[in-house]
Amino acid sequence: GDSVTQMEGPVTLSEEAFLTINCTYTATGYPSLFWYVQYPGEGLQLLLKATKADDKGSNKGFEATYRKETTSFHLEKGSVQVSDSAVYFCALSDLGGGAQKLVFGQGTRLTINP
Amino acid sequence: GAVVSQHPSRVICKSGTSVKIECRSLDFQATTMFWYRQFPKKSLMLMATSNEGSKATYEQGVEKDKFLINHASLTLSTLTVTSAHPEDSSFYICSAREGTSANNEQFFGPGTRLTVL
Repeated sequence: GDSVTQMEGPVTLSEEAFLTINCTYTATGYPSLFWYVQYPGEGLQLLLKATKADDKGSNKGFEATYRKETTSFHLEKGSVQVSDSAVYFCALSDLGGGAQKLVFGQGTRLTINP
Repeated sequence: GAVVSQHPSRVICKSGTSVKIECRSLDFQATTMFWYRQFPKKSLMLMATSNEGSKATYEQGVEKDKFLINHASLTLSTLTVTSAHPEDSSFYICSAREGTSANNEQFFGPGTRLTVL
C-alpha cells in the first residue's frame, strides 16, 4: 500500500539556520503531496501542497518540490524562526475511489532555539 | 480559516467503560469527517470515514463494533470507544471536509488523548 517515510526527529536548530526535513513516499498511482504542521495544543494545519510532478508548494517561507523521479517531497526553509517550532507531517493523498485518504509520515518534531 | 474542535481534550477512564469523543466543525458544514488514531512517535492512522447521514466506512483492521461513529449532523461527529481497554489508550484526531469533492481541504481538530486504566 501507499506509505510515507520522514526523517526521524527531533530536529533542533538555531534561529536563522537552514532547514531540511526529508520525506519520501511509495504510491501506486499519482498522489498529491502535502506538508502539515502541528503547533503545540493545536490541530494539524495544511502548510503547503503539490498535486503533480515538478510542482513546488510554498507558504510562510517553506518550500517543497514534488520529485517523481526520486519519489520525494523534502521540506525546506532558508532561515527558521523560533515560531517555526512544531511537529511537521508529510502526507500523500491517493484519490482512489474519490475518498481522498491521507497517508501520513510519522512526524518530525522541530525545535528552534533563539 | 475553518475551525474544528474536539471534546474532551483529555479523558481518563477505567477499563470496561465507554468513552465518547465529539468532533465539531465550528464555521462550516462538514459533509465528510475522518477519524484518525496516533500512537506515540507514529503517524496518524485513518480509522474511518463518515459522511453525514450515512454509515461510516472503516479501514481494514478497525473494529466497527468497538469504535462506533455517528455523523448525524453537518457539524458534529462522535466516536465512541466501547468497553475500553488499556490498549485503546491513544491520541484520537478528527478532521472535517466541506462538500463532497475529494479535492477540498481537510481541517483537523486538536485531538483527544484517551488513557484507559
